[in-house]
Order: sequence, then structure tokens, then C-alpha cells
Amino acid sequence: EAQVTQNPRYLITVTGKKLTVTCSQNMNHEYMSWYRQDPGLGLRQIYYSMNVEVTDKGDVPEGYKVSRKEKRNFPLILESPSPNQTSLYFCASSLWQGETQYFGPGTRLLVL
Amino acid sequence: GDSVTQMEGPVTLSEEAFLTINCTYTATGYPSLFWYVQYPGEGLQLLLKATKADDKGSNKGFEATYRKETTSFHLEKGSVQVSDSAVYFCALSPNTGRRALTFGSGTRLQVQP
Repeated sequence: EAQVTQNPRYLITVTGKKLTVTCSQNMNHEYMSWYRQDPGLGLRQIYYSMNVEVTDKGDVPEGYKVSRKEKRNFPLILESPSPNQTSLYFCASSLWQGETQYFGPGTRLLVL
Repeated sequence: GDSVTQMEGPVTLSEEAFLTINCTYTATGYPSLFWYVQYPGEGLQLLLKATKADDKGSNKGFEATYRKETTSFHLEKGSVQVSDSAVYFCALSPNTGRRALTFGSGTRLQVQP
């Protein structure tokens, strides 16, 4: 089944404790992206990647890092999480930049 | 910059009622326009899209027409069902540059039996 998977689905952590949210797609997509969803704001892009080893900032990149060492994986790294990063995070992928994006199920993060 | 404005929710309708969710956008050039749906506890799914002016996207009884003159992409369905209860997001993607999706804030639809 073609899909985008994320882990974990739910995470509670404390300020400053590094964490990684994994994202994997099995559709051989070139383009991958991370979004955060906050009430009343819709989804905002954090980082994106057009191909392996090619990443760039989205609209709200502060406090986040990403890497794209393999085509299928695009982890989101929070080196020192803060409470304002409490949010619902979605990974998405598409065949090319500008094509229809397919979303993962989301990761709900709470930073205390 | 680009922006998308949706009507505030929640929208509460009875089963078989007519649905309209308004969406207007601001963008340079001719972006592609999308409606995504998010069912409870799930990620976003593409509902329909249109890539140029006057195109009509349709899927599962939902329709939206790309109106360049009014910069709108309103979502409509003639007869809603309880299973349509979800959050609906209007979004655009420019056809140049980064091509990131810009989303509206979402409209929650509740359909009562």
C-alpha cells in the first residue's frame, strides 16, 4: 500500500530534551516536506526537500532541523524543544515539487 | 505573500442539506488550487484540485470551480452525509519557485442525522 508513515504518533517530552520524528514514504517520491498544524493557522511548512541531500527552509524553520540521506526518509529533529513547539506535525511527499502531496497520519507533540 | 482565506467554522448542517464552504486567495500569477479533507485522527487527504482558471475539480460529490476573476475556489456539495463530517482545508500552490502549499485555517463541518 502506498503511504507516508510517521513515528511516533504521540509524544510528550520536556523542554530541552532532543527528539526526532521519523517520516518514511514508499512511493519513490522526490519531494518531501514537514508541516505543523496549529489552531486557527492551518498548516505551515517547516522544511522541505527536493531530493536526497537537498533541503531548504519553509515558512517556520526556527528550532527545527531535517536531513535527507535516503530518498524514502525525511526525519524532523528538534535539538532543544520548547513549549511553543507543541503542535501537530505532518510529513508529506509528492512525486515532484508542485505535484499533489500525500500526507502522513500526523504526530502530536507536547513539550512541557 | 500568498494567502488563503476560508469561512470560519464550525458549519453545522442536517443530512442531505446543501453545502458551501467559501475560499478566496491572494497570489501572484496562476496558482494551482486544492481542497484537502481531514477526518478525525487522520492526516490530510486530497479531495479535489484545479490547475487553471475555469477548471472544475470534483470528487465524491464535491465540486469547486477555479474563478480567476473573483480569486475564489468555493467548495460545494448538493447533499451532505454524516460521513462528510471533517475539517476542510483550502490551499494553493504557486506554479513557480518553492511551490509550497499555503493553507487556509480550515473549516470544521458537522453533519447531523
